Amino acid sequence: IVMTQTPLSLSVTPGQPASISCKSSQSLLHSDGVTYLYWYLQKAGQSPQLLIYEVSSRFSGAPDRFSGSGSGTDFTLKISRVEAEDVGVYYCMQGIHLPRTFGQGTKVDIK
Amino acid sequence: QVQVVQSGAEVKKPGASVKVSCKASGYAFSIFDMHWVRQAPGQGLEWMALINPGDGTTRYAQKFQGRVTLTRDTSTSTVYMGLSGLRSDDTAVYYCASLPEFWGQGTTVIVSS
Repeated sequence: IVMTQTPLSLSVTPGQPASISCKSSQSLLHSDGVTYLYWYLQKAGQSPQLLIYEVSSRFSGAPDRFSGSGSGTDFTLKISRVEAEDVGVYYCMQGIHLPRTFGQGTKVDIK
Repeated sequence: QVQVVQSGAEVKKPGASVKVSCKASGYAFSIFDMHWVRQAPGQGLEWMALINPGDGTTRYAQKFQGRVTLTRDTSTSTVYMGLSGLRSDDTAVYYCASLPEFWGQGTTVIVSS
C-alpha cells in the first residue's frame, strides 16, 4: 500500500492551524470495522511518537490540539494552534497490511 | 511502564553482518509482534520485518528477504535483528517497535570501509 502525504513541508506561524493530508492506495478499512491509520511525530534525534491511532483516537499524552479525521483512503491530521514544540516530521502509517508502509513525511517548522 | 531498549551503535565494514538487540519490559512480551523499521540519514521510515515473540513466527519485507533474520529469547524478553551482507546503503538508524505505540530509542548502524 502506497501512502502519499501532502504537503511535504509546512511553515506555520505559532497559534495558527495546520493540516496534513495522507492518501492510501487501498482502503484501510478492515473487515473488523476498524480503519488502521496512524499518525506519528518524529522530533529531531528522537524516535517517532504516536499521536493518533485508528484515524481519530488521540494516544495517551498527545495534546488535544491534535486531531485526526478521514475514512477509506483519505485522511487528515489537524493541529488547531501550532506551538513551538510541534516542530518535526509527521508521518502517517497504515497498519492493515504487511509490509507496513509510511508516508514520505511532512516537515513542519515555525515561521 | 513500557520500555523498549536497544543495543548500542555499530560500525561495520561492507560485507559484514550486524546483530541488534531489543529488550522489552512492562507489557506482555509474548503477545505483541515486534517490528523493525529503519531510517537512512535524512530519509523516511522503512518497514523491514516483524516477529511474534510468542511462537517465533517471522515476516520479512521482500527487499530484505535472505539478508535479515529475526530471533527472540522469551526468557529475557529480547528480540534480535541480524542483517548480513551489509552495504553502504544499509547505513541507518534501526528501530524496534511494538507497533503502533512503543518504539525503542534506535540503533545507529554505519557501514563504511
